[in-house]
Amino acid sequence: DAGVTQSPTHLIKTRGQQVTLRCSPKSGHDTVSWYQQALGQGPQFIFQYYEEEERQRGNFPDRFSGHQFPNYSSELNVNALLLGDSALYLCASSLGSNQPQHFGDGTRLSIL
Amino acid sequence: GENVEQHPSTLSVQEGDSAVIKCTYSDSASNYFPWYKQELGKRPQLIIDIRSNVGEKKDQRIAVTLNKTAKHFSLHITETQPEDSAVYFCAASITMMGGTSYGKLTFGQGTILTVHP
Repeated sequence: DAGVTQSPTHLIKTRGQQVTLRCSPKSGHDTVSWYQQALGQGPQFIFQYYEEEERQRGNFPDRFSGHQFPNYSSELNVNALLLGDSALYLCASSLGSNQPQHFGDGTRLSIL
Repeated sequence: GENVEQHPSTLSVQEGDSAVIKCTYSDSASNYFPWYKQELGKRPQLIIDIRSNVGEKKDQRIAVTLNKTAKHFSLHITETQPEDSAVYFCAASITMMGGTSYGKLTFGQGTILTVHP
């Protein structure tokens, strides 16, 4: 039973570029949430996707956008990258939007 | 919005001792409280959770207690082992509002637990 998988594991970008991160939920899960975790901090909620729609959003600018596909996988897109976007980006999946969330290993994004 | 405060930021115990981590939340509408363990360089792992209709939940050496009146909840680890060493995060969520279900988790800042052999 595959858990939550994310790709890529590491990514290096420069300021102003755009990035796409990918997430496949745990088998049987239909909801995907994205979090940003800065070094030494707790994860910060970006948004949640359910039934291919953004169900809930945290305090992140419009540069952060996402998508959920019919197979429940999801993408996180970040435009006009800033140095402050350097962080670990975590994807979590659940069966239903208000059920326990299980995390992937994350994508480490570094902005130069 | 919801704010979660977690204490202590670091906790050092001897193997076999108990460890307690406490969190307070600000929004009385919060009704779901999970705890995650994150080892260095690894994913946060859900270790136990509790909903607001329950005051205490136990799973082997781990227990969580919830005081809705005071808006705080705690993680208790008994008979600690070196492999319990990790960063522990509490979180709070409002899972239902106006007939719509939600999943946003608001996390505390984390507690670095070190268990010395």
